Amino acid sequence: GAGVSQSPSNKVTEKGKDVELRCDPISGHTALYWYRQRLGQGLEFLIYFQGNSAPDKSGLPSDRFSAERTGESVSTLTIQRTQQEDSAVYLCASSRTGGNGYTFGSGTRLTVV
Amino acid sequence: GQQLNQSPQSMFIQEGEDVSMNCTSSSIFNTWLWYKQDPGEGPVLLIALYKAGELTSNGRLTAQFGITRKDSFLNISASIPSDVGIYFCAGMNYGGSQGNLIFGKGTKLSVKP
Repeated sequence: GAGVSQSPSNKVTEKGKDVELRCDPISGHTALYWYRQRLGQGLEFLIYFQGNSAPDKSGLPSDRFSAERTGESVSTLTIQRTQQEDSAVYLCASSRTGGNGYTFGSGTRLTVV
Repeated sequence: GQQLNQSPQSMFIQEGEDVSMNCTSSSIFNTWLWYKQDPGEGPVLLIALYKAGELTSNGRLTAQFGITRKDSFLNISASIPSDVGIYFCAGMNYGGSQGNLIFGKGTKLSVKP
């Protein structure tokens, strides 16, 4: 597609439920990032996929967070047993080579009630 | 890990004024990027810098990659109302941690009341 597409754009979930967030990167982009942005804060790195290499999971805050990506296509970020502290905007970005500026999606705003 | 210090955290602008913000790091980067984020959107790349000492312009925006490779600044000349938003710097090293891209905490530009 023309840009990075994220879905849903908004998600309200009850505490304790699992949620799955989806990112469709730009076609041909080998690198894909997930970031978390709390209200009024900067971008917090979560996980990085580069081609078929093992992902860099060093930013995942707990074992409730996981992400998958099949090849160079769609990625899903899963948060299990959501907590109120998980409320944030989750941003996905992709890049062609991993060495250039990244293109961001508009994010998924997650609210845990 | 690597940290970026971005300043100021926030500033008010009056139409026509010039604006300056900067980022510093305790370690060197190979690439500096500047992004702008509007409310409800993902960050959009403004300028990318790839060489120490490089000075690059994009319309009313000018950014420089510091000679020491540990800092970068962004200037906005003759600001206009649509310049309001949050500006993020990001540093990148190939093969580094956090998937290579590390963000500052942002500079929030608002219109002077």
